[in-house]
Amino acid sequence: GQNIDQPTEMTATEGAIVQINCTYQTSGFNGLFWYQQHAGEAPTFLSYNVLDGLEEKGRFSSFLSRSKGYSYLLLKELQMKDSASYLCAVLDSNYQLIWGAGTKLIIKP
Amino acid sequence: GAVVSQHPSRVICKSGTSVKIECRSLDFQATTMFWYRQFPKKSLMLMATSNEGSKATYEQGVEKDKFLINHASLTLSTLTVTSAHPEDSSFYICSARGAREGRYEQYFGPGTRLTVT
Repeated sequence: GQNIDQPTEMTATEGAIVQINCTYQTSGFNGLFWYQQHAGEAPTFLSYNVLDGLEEKGRFSSFLSRSKGYSYLLLKELQMKDSASYLCAVLDSNYQLIWGAGTKLIIKP
Repeated sequence: GAVVSQHPSRVICKSGTSVKIECRSLDFQATTMFWYRQFPKKSLMLMATSNEGSKATYEQGVEKDKFLINHASLTLSTLTVTSAHPEDSSFYICSARGAREGRYEQYFGPGTRLTVT
């Protein structure tokens, strides 16, 4: 079966760095997405990795290792507004998005 | 990232009426559009997938005669909730995917909160 694992909840301190991991087992791979979702709002696109390596976008970076079925989202200089759920999703060989359950990130002052 | 708009953002309707929700990709051509619904504190649930000019593919358990989807162009898809009931009250979110040089980036609209009274 297809499976995506990410931690249910993480807590971090304002100004710090946090890494949210995602491991996946899917039938085929056409890219991995990270989305941010605040309560009551739609998901917001953060990143899309197709090739191995690190992609940096401001305070957010996303890493992919296809051989290990592994990705992480790195958030630097955490701000209170970063408190949200972070969703990992993989596009499989049928171009279906397979979703992780999401990681709720709590930022403390 | 690209922009996907959705209209209306909120709608309240009476039982038995129909509601149409529009989803537009503003700065890219969406080869595929998706409709999701989400209940409070629950995961996104895919309702249907549509490609421009063809009939939508509905997920198991989603009534195609109740949730009418039209994907008339590469930038517009509509979802019509027919004969709405209170249990149809939910957060409906569209998503649009563009394909370019082997990349399949997918963006979400801001969602429509439907309340059926």
